[in-house]
Amino acid sequence: NAGVTQTPKFQVLKTGQSMTLQCAQDMNHEYMSWYRQDPGMGLRLIHYSVGAGITDQGEVPNGYNVSRSTTEDFPLRLLSAAPSQTSVYFCASSYLGPTDTQYFGPGTRLTVL
Amino acid sequence: DQQVKQNSPSLSVQEGRISILNCDYTNSMFDYFLWYKKYPAEGPTFLISISSIKDKNEDGRFTVFLNKSAKHLSLHIVPSQPGDSAVYFCAAPVPFQGGSEKLVFGKGTKLTVNP
Repeated sequence: NAGVTQTPKFQVLKTGQSMTLQCAQDMNHEYMSWYRQDPGMGLRLIHYSVGAGITDQGEVPNGYNVSRSTTEDFPLRLLSAAPSQTSVYFCASSYLGPTDTQYFGPGTRLTVL
Repeated sequence: DQQVKQNSPSLSVQEGRISILNCDYTNSMFDYFLWYKKYPAEGPTFLISISSIKDKNEDGRFTVFLNKSAKHLSLHIVPSQPGDSAVYFCAAPVPFQGGSEKLVFGKGTKLTVNP
C-alpha cells in the first residue's frame, strides 16, 4: 500500500513552459485535492475532485488545470509556468472530503525561473 | 483574510516539558478542527481532531483543547520529545462554493524540541 505518490520530487521550469505534476493513490479514495504551500503560508487549495470525472476549482486555480479520468490518478497541469507558481505542491486524498483525514503525498518542489 | 490563525511562527521547548501550540479562528460556526504535523521534505500527516461538541480530545501524549467562547484551540504535547520537532498546522473545514467545503490551514508553527 503506497498511499499517495507524487512525481517528480523536484522540477525547474523556465517561464512559459508547461508541465504535469503526477499524483496517484491506491486507497480507493473518492476525494482528491491539490494544495500549494508558500513560505510563511498555510496550504492553499488549488483544485479538487469528489470522484472520477468530477473536478472543481479551489481558492487559487488560475494557471492550473486538472482532470480525473480514474479514481487513482489526479494530475495537475501548469499551462504556462510563471515565477509566481514557484512553490511546493501537495496532493492529498481522503474517503469523503475535507472533514475526513487527508493523506498527503511527499510533495513536489517547483521552481520557475 | 485568514479564517484560521496561528500567531506563533515558532516554539522551542526542552525535552520532557510541555509544548503548547495555539490556534484561533474567526467564525463561531466552525464545528470541526484538525491538527496536521509536517516534517521537512514530507507531506503533512494527520495528528488529532476535535469536534465542537467536545472541549477536549486526547490521544496519547497529544491533547487538543477547544474554547468555543474564545474561538481558540490549543494542542498540548506532554512530554515533548525531539521527534516531535516539526511544523504543526491547525485546519478547519469551512463552507465553500456550491455547498461544498474546503479545508483551510493556519500558517503553521515550527516546534523545536531540544534534547
